[in-house]
Amino acid sequence: EAGVTQFPSHSVIEKGQTVTLRCDPISGHDNLYWYRRVMGKEIKFLLHFVKESKQDESGMPNNRFLAERTGGTYSTLKVQPAELEDSGVYFCASSASLLNTEAFFGQGTRLTVV
Amino acid sequence: DQQVKQNSPSLSVQEGRISILNCDYTNSMFDYFLWYKKYPAEGPTFLISISSIKDKNEDGRFTVFLNKSAKHLSLHIVPSQPGDSAVYFCAASAVTNAGKSTFGDGTTLTVKP
Repeated sequence: EAGVTQFPSHSVIEKGQTVTLRCDPISGHDNLYWYRRVMGKEIKFLLHFVKESKQDESGMPNNRFLAERTGGTYSTLKVQPAELEDSGVYFCASSASLLNTEAFFGQGTRLTVV
Repeated sequence: DQQVKQNSPSLSVQEGRISILNCDYTNSMFDYFLWYKKYPAEGPTFLISISSIKDKNEDGRFTVFLNKSAKHLSLHIVPSQPGDSAVYFCAASAVTNAGKSTFGDGTTLTVKP
C-alpha cells in the first residue's frame, strides 16, 4: 500500500510568486493534516481536513495560504504571493481514525523563497 | 510560547547503552502523547504513544514514561543501536484527535558504534 506522497520534493521560487504543493494521502484516510517546519524548529500544525471539509484551520498563518481538498482525496496547499518567511518544510499527514491513532506523514516539500 | 519543549537539542550515546530523551509540556488538556522518529529527507514516522491514563508503555526496545503531575514524559531506548540515530520529536494531542499534534523542536540522537 502506498504511503502519503507529496509533490514536489523541493521548490525554489522568488518572493511574490505562487506555489502549489500537493499531497496524496493513504487511500481511505478521511483525515488529512498539513504541518510546517521552519528553520529546524518545531513542526507546526496548519490545518485539518475531514474528507473534503476543513475541520480546523487554526494554524494557517494568514490569508496568503489556501488549502483545498476537492472530492476528499488529494489536497493542495497554495501560497500566493510567497514571502521569505514562508520558507520551510511542509509536511502532509493522514490518518484513518481520530481516536488513539497516529498520523502517517509524507516525506515533505522543502520550499525556499528567495 | 511553546507548549511542548524538548530542552536537549542533541544527545550522543554509545551503542548498546541506554538513550533517554526528555519532553515537557504545559497544557493540561493534552491527554495523548506520541514520539515520532525522523531521518533526513523523510517525514516523521510514528514510534510509540501513551495515553494519559497510563504511566508507562513499552514496545520492544522503546519505552515511554509519563509523569502527569510533572507534565513530563521520556523515551527510553535500550539497547541503543546505530540505526536509531535520527531526530526524535515529542508530540502531544487530544485523544479525540491524535493526528492534530503539538510538536517539540526535536532531539537529534547519535548512537556511536
